[in-house]
Amino acid sequence: QVQLVESGGGVVQPGGSLRLSCEASGLSLRMFGMNWVRQAPGKGLEWVAFIRYDGNERDYADSVKGRFTVSRDNSKNMLYLEMSSLRPDDTAMYYCAKFAVTGKENWFDPWGQGTLVIVSS
Amino acid sequence: AIQLTQSPSSLSGFVGEKISITCRASQGIASSLVWYQQKPGKAPEVLIYDASTRAGGVPSRFSGSGSWTEFTLTISSLQSEDVATYYCQQFSSFPLTFGGGTKVEIK
Repeated sequence: QVQLVESGGGVVQPGGSLRLSCEASGLSLRMFGMNWVRQAPGKGLEWVAFIRYDGNERDYADSVKGRFTVSRDNSKNMLYLEMSSLRPDDTAMYYCAKFAVTGKENWFDPWGQGTLVIVSS
Repeated sequence: AIQLTQSPSSLSGFVGEKISITCRASQGIASSLVWYQQKPGKAPEVLIYDASTRAGGVPSRFSGSGSWTEFTLTISSLQSEDVATYYCQQFSSFPLTFGGGTKVEIK
């Protein structure tokens, strides 16, 4: 059974930085695209970032472009999200999510349990 | 970016009632649509992918239909455990986008 576990969330001041991690177990991620999706408190879902299975292609939501960087280490079965210049509207639960199938973009399955990021002074 | 408009934003039904949720895309996406169920405090889980294919373990009372710009999620007989928020998501192109969600409750 594939399990994704995020960590690294916490409280950070506006303008600060944070690094999120996502560790996978039960399956090698090396053939799958990976994503970060966030959900502000009481709000809907927002896709944040994608990284291709080999790390050679990345894409970002306009709201985080230039501030967030997604990376991966397939040897460790890990996914990362480096966040900088954080703003209060970045406050959200951040989920790591694997693409369900290999190949082009598709749907997210499974999702991790999420890690909460709060940007506040 | 492709916009997805879900309706209604909330609904309340009786146990055993048939309910439907609509998701409209701002441009044609063929069958590149998935439906998720999110229960309070939990991560979303896949219900339906490719617009109409039920994911493994999903009860048969859940069904999906539609293509191109209009899609429907139907629960044929609403159960108490179906209380959740439901989201559609398109995977036709980046940026991947979600509908605004439909909160389903029991009367």
